[in-house]
Amino acid sequence: ETGVTQSPTHLIKTRGQQVTLRCSSQSGHNTVSWYQQALGQGPQFIFQYYREEENGRGNFPPRFSGLQFPNYSSELNVNALELDDSALYLCASSLGAGMDTIYFGEGSWLTVV
Amino acid sequence: AQSVTQLDSHVSVSEGTPVLLRCNYSSSYSPSLFWYVQHPNKGLQLLLKYTSAATLVKGINGFEAEFKKSETSFHLTKPSAHMSDAAEYFCVVSGPNTGNQFYFGTGTSLTVIP
Repeated sequence: ETGVTQSPTHLIKTRGQQVTLRCSSQSGHNTVSWYQQALGQGPQFIFQYYREEENGRGNFPPRFSGLQFPNYSSELNVNALELDDSALYLCASSLGAGMDTIYFGEGSWLTVV
Repeated sequence: AQSVTQLDSHVSVSEGTPVLLRCNYSSSYSPSLFWYVQHPNKGLQLLLKYTSAATLVKGINGFEAEFKKSETSFHLTKPSAHMSDAAEYFCVVSGPNTGNQFYFGTGTSLTVIP
């Protein structure tokens, strides 16, 4: 157990809809990163939040957005869902940005139909 | 630029025999390197990490990896495979100027034959 919790664990959405995924970081961790893992692939970095500010972003369009709250929990929002957004979305927390070890939650499985 | 290449997409070993999962990295700077394991329908668990200290790194569950700068490799080994080792393994690189992101390989699926 890493202490990183994500919700919901599974959900199904229709193309064009919007989705919000949630993550509670490990106690004391102020940095949250989000990754997308398509079936059969390695995780791809979406973005990172450090002390409530975006602190790095991967190659994802603006319809992927996020928030980090004062308690360091985080949300990932995806607008205008596409079929290719179907994936496992992983949240990871760490004590600080940069090269610190990151600890993953078990993920949220999103299916877009 | 940072990247990792996992040289085998699938590896099968018999229970009790050694495990070797190969990883080569590309990094413009001194990298941090990690191995993570993912069991079916589970999140990612850290096995071990290298961050410029000892080149031979010991991790959990009997796994270890050796950082070889001259070969730009970070192969994962275990002397004796156990059935519970069957999983997906990811080699990961991070480092300065990576935009705070971890770069994952495409994964190696390990099968352990009884």
